[in-house]
Amino acid sequence: GNSVTQMEGPVTLSEEAFLTINCTYTATGYPSLFWYVQYPGEGLQLLLKATKADDKGSNKGFEATYRKETTSFHLEKGSVQVSDSAVYFCALTLSGGSYIPTFGRGTSLIVHP
Amino acid sequence: ETGVTQTPRHLVMGMTNKKSLKCEQHLGHNAMYWYKQSAKKPLELMFVYSLEERVENNSVPSRFSPECPNSSHLFLHLHTLQPEDSALYLCASSTVGVKGDGYTFGSGTRLTVV
Repeated sequence: GNSVTQMEGPVTLSEEAFLTINCTYTATGYPSLFWYVQYPGEGLQLLLKATKADDKGSNKGFEATYRKETTSFHLEKGSVQVSDSAVYFCALTLSGGSYIPTFGRGTSLIVHP
Repeated sequence: ETGVTQTPRHLVMGMTNKKSLKCEQHLGHNAMYWYKQSAKKPLELMFVYSLEERVENNSVPSRFSPECPNSSHLFLHLHTLQPEDSALYLCASSTVGVKGDGYTFGSGTRLTVV
């Protein structure tokens, strides 16, 4: 079956630090990959996506590159802010099959001033 | 404004009450979903409606009853709930068949069963 594995949290950083949140996946077929962010008290929001190998998704200073050879889609940001404190979810969907995403368990990020 | 609106935002209900959660989207999407999010647990997919037909029901207790009267509206009817049903209930929508299209989520209904 399909699965998404994220690093356990919480990840605690100081403001302006570099962020990496690891995400690896297993899938039958060629998935599209996503990162969602959930701020406190809110639903999930699509942060970025990539639909094929070597694509780089980017938004709000966050980036992730679709690495087929390592089945990974790690989220990075060069300089985090307190306002980036949230829970981040990695997810995949398969084209041509079930369109229902498979989500990771989420990684909590806490950024201190 | 996320494009998916859920009401109410907060709900407290007794175990013998009957209430309904509402979700509305005007994004032109053709699939809608209910998820349950509990503390320290993964997101749980409850129901999926595609083109107004229920296509997935993940072993959800019968005290949860979904309804999708049209492609823009989704309800979750609740009755005789248990305290362990307290959680954040999220609605989402998407367009089926478009590669790489993500979900749009609502802000959720925080349900407390007392």
